Amino acid sequence: ETGVTQSPTHLIKTRGQQVTLRCSSQSGHNTVSWYQQALGQGPQFIFQYYREEENGRGNFPPRFSGLQFPNYSSELNVNALELDDSALYLCASSLGSPSRGAPALHFGNGTRLTVT
Amino acid sequence: GNSVTQMEGPVTLSEEAFLTINCTYTATGYPSLFWYVQYPGEGLQLLLKATKADDKGSNKGFEATYRKETTSFHLEKGSVQVSDSAVYFCALLSGGSNYKLTFGKGTLLTVNP
Repeated sequence: ETGVTQSPTHLIKTRGQQVTLRCSSQSGHNTVSWYQQALGQGPQFIFQYYREEENGRGNFPPRFSGLQFPNYSSELNVNALELDDSALYLCASSLGSPSRGAPALHFGNGTRLTVT
Repeated sequence: GNSVTQMEGPVTLSEEAFLTINCTYTATGYPSLFWYVQYPGEGLQLLLKATKADDKGSNKGFEATYRKETTSFHLEKGSVQVSDSAVYFCALLSGGSNYKLTFGKGTLLTVNP
């Protein structure tokens, strides 16, 4: 089975620009979550999608938005980029409904975003 | 809110030494607890997990026991190898309607031959 794949692997943007990051879920997984990992920190939850609907959001401003498609792949969009948005963005997929606990989250290798 | 506190690194050990990385948490309800490992240039891999009090998670020689009374989930390994060098993250999964993981800041482990 294929794992979680993210693209691109690296990206450099200028402050004020917009960026779209992409994630292909592991085969059969219907839930995808996005995390931001700043240098030297643990990942921070951005939001989660289940069956194409947002199903929870962390403490991130509205300029962070997402989509999940019918094939369960996903996009993370960030508008009006700021220098502090420089980080590793991780996508994780899992299988199951939100009412069940402790699913196994499978992470991709991330997209390294640098904002200059 | 939920939070995870890990011992600060970096931790440097010689091969075959004993490893302990401390992790304590604050959470409402009964969270599930996890250890993830991140090798250089890679994403996170689930190392082990425990879903209720007194459960012991184990994998690849690593172990951690869910201690509700001390709100702890310390990671241990009896004999580390050079290939164990990585960043280790303790995390909790809060109850509720989504799979939000709350992570600690991570502990860098370097094992020297």
